[in-house]
Amino acid sequence: DIQMTQSPSTLSASVGDRVTITCRASQSISIWLAWYQQKPGKAPNLLIYKASSLENGVPSRFSGSGSGTEFTLTISSLQPDDFATYYCQQYNSYSRTFGQGTRVEIK
Amino acid sequence: EVQLMESGGGLVQPGGSLRLSCAASGFTFSSYWMSWVRQAPGKGLEWVASIKEDGGEKYYVDSVKGRLTISRDNAENSLFLQVSILRAEDTAVYYCARLRVGPGAFDIWGRGTMVTVSS
Repeated sequence: DIQMTQSPSTLSASVGDRVTITCRASQSISIWLAWYQQKPGKAPNLLIYKASSLENGVPSRFSGSGSGTEFTLTISSLQPDDFATYYCQQYNSYSRTFGQGTRVEIK
Repeated sequence: EVQLMESGGGLVQPGGSLRLSCAASGFTFSSYWMSWVRQAPGKGLEWVASIKEDGGEKYYVDSVKGRLTISRDNAENSLFLQVSILRAEDTAVYYCARLRVGPGAFDIWGRGTMVTVSS
């Protein structure tokens, strides 16, 4: 199975900061990567698909990049609504796998 | 409105079983792969199972093979997960999710149903 590793596990940042989260795959997954945001007690919400495509309705301060085994999610200017946990997920194979999550906290 | 709504969770003893359901509305259910994703309390997301549009292909995470069965009824716009021989580590919120055409990312999620395995 393809393993997904996110870093960091926790990130402390302030409103207005530029934030970057990294996701690494144990083997090449081309561009078949998605990013999700999850807030406590809520279902995850799709932000980015195909590594860099922004889902409809998601603010443009979110962006994704990468291919192969290395990917990043960037929030250009952190807003109060962005404090949440973020997950990457590969869909190169029918057996989907998620990263362990990155919690973005208020500094 | 595109919507998924899970039901069927609850408290069950170790070794017991449950059948989770997911009612879909607002889209052509029979045109999409569907999945179950679970999340143990305080933990991350874990993909559990996926099923093709016509039910002809099914995939499971290794840790649940033989104990969980995914199925669907396209006439009723419903997805199911039969969970058997439950263990404490199966305690989680179980989400129903739609896969974007491809099959791609999980683009629509339900609110989840809680399964607690405890004596």
